[in-house]
Amino acid sequence: EIVLTQSPDSQSVTPKEKVTITCRASQSIGSNLHWYQQKPDQSPKLLIKYASQSISGVPSRFSGSGSGTDFTLTIDSLEAEDAATYYCHQGSTLPFTFGQGTRLEMK
Amino acid sequence: QVQLQESGPGLVKPSETLSLTCTVSGGPIRNYYWNWIRQPPGKGLEWIGYISYRGTTYYNPSLKGRVATSIDTSKNQFSLKLTSVTAADAAVYYCARAGYSPYEAFDIWGQGTTVAVS
Repeated sequence: EIVLTQSPDSQSVTPKEKVTITCRASQSIGSNLHWYQQKPDQSPKLLIKYASQSISGVPSRFSGSGSGTDFTLTIDSLEAEDAATYYCHQGSTLPFTFGQGTRLEMK
Repeated sequence: QVQLQESGPGLVKPSETLSLTCTVSGGPIRNYYWNWIRQPPGKGLEWIGYISYRGTTYYNPSLKGRVATSIDTSKNQFSLKLTSVTAADAAVYYCARAGYSPYEAFDIWGQGTTVAVS
């Protein structure tokens, strides 16, 4: 199975900061990488699909890039409501897998 | 808009079978792939498997053949059965929709249902 490794595991952040989360795949997955945001006691919400495609209704400060094995989720000008755990998910090869998550905590 | 709602017992005894149902409302069950994902307390997401509207399935090999799913298009529902449960199966269970291909992103999720094993 494909292993997805996210970094960092957690980060303390401040409003208006620019945040970058990376996701590295154990083998090439093309652009079949999706990003989700999960707030406490909520279900995950799709943020970005196919590495860089935006999702309707998701703020434009969220963007994604990458292909192959290395991917990045960027949050420009972080807002307090962005405090959450972020997961990457590969839809390239069965079984589908998720990264371990990156928790963003507001300072 | 399309909504998913999980339902089922919140408590299952060890060695018994966990059974959950996901009801799809506000949209069709046809033409999509439907997934089960779980999240143990304080941990990350684990993909369990999918079923298509035609009944095509794939399950995570990590669950060692304990998983089965079914779909009832007349009721707009799909279901999960997990046999021989242990404490390690205690989790929040989510149902989620992929697109016309199973490889697409999970664009709609249910609110999740908590299952304890005791």
